[in-house]
Amino acid sequence: DAGVTQSPTHLIKTRGQHVTLRCSPISGHKSVSWYQQVLGQGPQFIFQYYEKEERGRGNFPDRFSARQFPNYSSELNVNALLLGDSALYLCASSPRQEAILDTQYFGPGTRLTVL
Amino acid sequence: AQSVTQLGSHVSVSEGALVLLRCNYSSSVPPYLFWYVQYPNQGLQLLLKYTSAATLVKGINGFEAEFKKSETSFHLTKPSAHMSDAAEYFCAVSVFGGTSYGKLTFGQGTILTVHP
Repeated sequence: DAGVTQSPTHLIKTRGQHVTLRCSPISGHKSVSWYQQVLGQGPQFIFQYYEKEERGRGNFPDRFSARQFPNYSSELNVNALLLGDSALYLCASSPRQEAILDTQYFGPGTRLTVL
Repeated sequence: AQSVTQLGSHVSVSEGALVLLRCNYSSSVPPYLFWYVQYPNQGLQLLLKYTSAATLVKGINGFEAEFKKSETSFHLTKPSAHMSDAAEYFCAVSVFGGTSYGKLTFGQGTILTVHP
C-alpha cells in the first residue's frame, strides 16, 4: 500500500509570495495533520483536519491556512512568505479524528526555502 | 499545556553498546507519550507509544521505553546499538481531548551517532 505522499518534494520561493503544499493520506485515512519542522528543531503542529473540517490549530499566524477535500487529500497554503517560513513541512495521516490513539503515518515532507 | 524536554541534543555510542535517550515531559493531565525516529531526508516513523496501559512499552527495532510518572520521564533504550540506528529521535507528548485529538508536541530531538 502507498504511504503518505507529499508534493512537491522541494520548493524555492521569494519573500512575499504564496505557496501551496499538497498531501495525500493513506487510503482509508480521514484525518490529516500538518507540522512545520524548522532546521534543528522538532516538528510543530499547525493544523488537523478531519472529514473536511478543521479540528485543531496550532500557534501559527493567519497567513497559514489549509483545507481538506472529499477524497481526504489536503492542501496547506502559506501567504506572504517570510524567511522564517523556511522549513520542512510534514503531513501525517490516521484513520480517526482521535489521531493520537492511532499510529499517525508521516509523509517525507516538502522542503520549503524562502529567499 | 504539555511540553517535552529531551536531554542531550547529540548522543554517541559504539556499535553493540546500550542506547539511552532521555525524555522528560510536563503535563497536567495523564499524557500519551511517543518516540519517533527520523532518518535523513525522510519523514517520521513511530517507534513506540505509551497510552496508559503497561508502563514498559516495547517498540520496533528492539527499542523500548518506560513510563515513570514519579520522575515524569519516558526514556528510550536499546540494549545493543546497530549502525542502522543512527538517526534523529524525537520524543512527543499529547493528551486526549484539549484543542485537538491529533496534536503532538515534540521535543527538540536527539541525534544518535553509532561508531563501529
